[in-house]
Parts: sequence; structure tokens; C-alpha cells
Amino acid sequence: QKEVEQDPGPLSVPEGAIVSLNCTYSNSAFQYFMWYRQYSRKGPELLMYTYSSGNKEDGRFTAQVDKSSKYISLFIRDSQPSDSATYLCAMSAFRGSTLGRLYFGRGTQLTVWP
Amino acid sequence: ETGVTQTPRHLVMGMTNKKSLKCEQHLGHNAMYWYKQSAKKPLELMFVYSLEERVENNSVPSRFSPECPNSSHLFLHLHTLQPEDSALYLCASSPDRLPDTQYFGPGTRLTVL
Repeated sequence: QKEVEQDPGPLSVPEGAIVSLNCTYSNSAFQYFMWYRQYSRKGPELLMYTYSSGNKEDGRFTAQVDKSSKYISLFIRDSQPSDSATYLCAMSAFRGSTLGRLYFGRGTQLTVWP
Repeated sequence: ETGVTQTPRHLVMGMTNKKSLKCEQHLGHNAMYWYKQSAKKPLELMFVYSLEERVENNSVPSRFSPECPNSSHLFLHLHTLQPEDSALYLCASSPDRLPDTQYFGPGTRLTVL
């Protein structure tokens, strides 16, 4: 079983739609959860970071973590064509130690059309 | 993104060639990473350097050889690669081995013929 599962898509939505991106994971030790955005021909950039369960909101983006279900989500409200990118989920069990490595999903390719 | 630079951006090489990828970070970080990104696969962590010491090597074939001469520079030396090694190679850095603070470079798109 893979550590992190993420549907690669592609996902295509009209401008203004609410987008929901999800990942599931198997390791109950994960407690740091991240979403990265990767534009074409660029490296990933950190978009959202959450610790343990709960919600975190930043502008049009909301990250949710449900540790009981081992399920994380990223919601994008009022999606824009500039949101078109690949979104990678990532997670880790520990901070600042030799065990502090990131486990990534495959990424979901999102296109927002005008 | 200019905090971490990678050269070259594109590289085409034959299976018998020797080439090197270069990464430079301008962020004052002390940990650097090499990742491999293949289509439809998760990012694969290859090597981790912390304070110029290799602290992790995830069963990477010996045809990939990293070098970290100082905390700002990281190299990946390539020799006798296989076509399945074609991928995007990403460099990242962080202020410590804190997983949530990794900054990525733009990557080198490698094609092995």
C-alpha cells in the first residue's frame, strides 16, 4: 500500500467554481500536512501547511485534515485560470530530525478555464 | 523561486555520457535535497545533505553521485544512465531538516537517449 494516495486527474473546472482536491494516507504517524502548487516548468511551491487535525484558511484556499479518516483536502473558492497547476499533497511524521522526510502524493493536475 | 537555482534547465545525454547537475541556494539554508519527479509518480527523495554531510541516501543507484562542497551548492553527477532515468530532477533547500519549509528550484529536465 502506498504511503500517500492522490488522484492525478486531470480535473477541469470553469472559472469561479469551487475545487476540491484530496489525498488519503496510510501512516497514522503523519501529523504535518502540506499542499504544494507546481506550475508547468517550475518547481513546487508551498501553498498551505497544517499541523494535526483541523482547518486552515488563507484567502481563497482552505486546507482540512481529518486524521481519524486519514484524509486531507484542499478547497479553492472562486477558482481562477491562474490556479491552473498541479497540486501536490505532502506529509511528514516528525520535524527537525533524520526522520523528518516528506511523503508526496502523485499530484492532481487542475485546469480552470475562463 | 530565485532563492534556489538549478542549471542546466534541460539536458539530453546518451547512456555513455557523464554530466553534472548544479543547484545553488541563496537563502542561507543548511539542508539541501535532491528529488526525482517522474510523470504520474510521487516525488522520490534521493539524497539529503545537512551541513554538507550526507544524512540520507534512499537506495539510489550508484550511477547517481551527489556532492555538496558547501552549504550553498549541491551537485548531482550522472554517468552511464538508463532511459528510465529520464525525469525532472528537483533540488530543494531548508533552514534545517524541517520538512514543511523546503524551497524548491525549477528543476532540470533530463532526457537519456
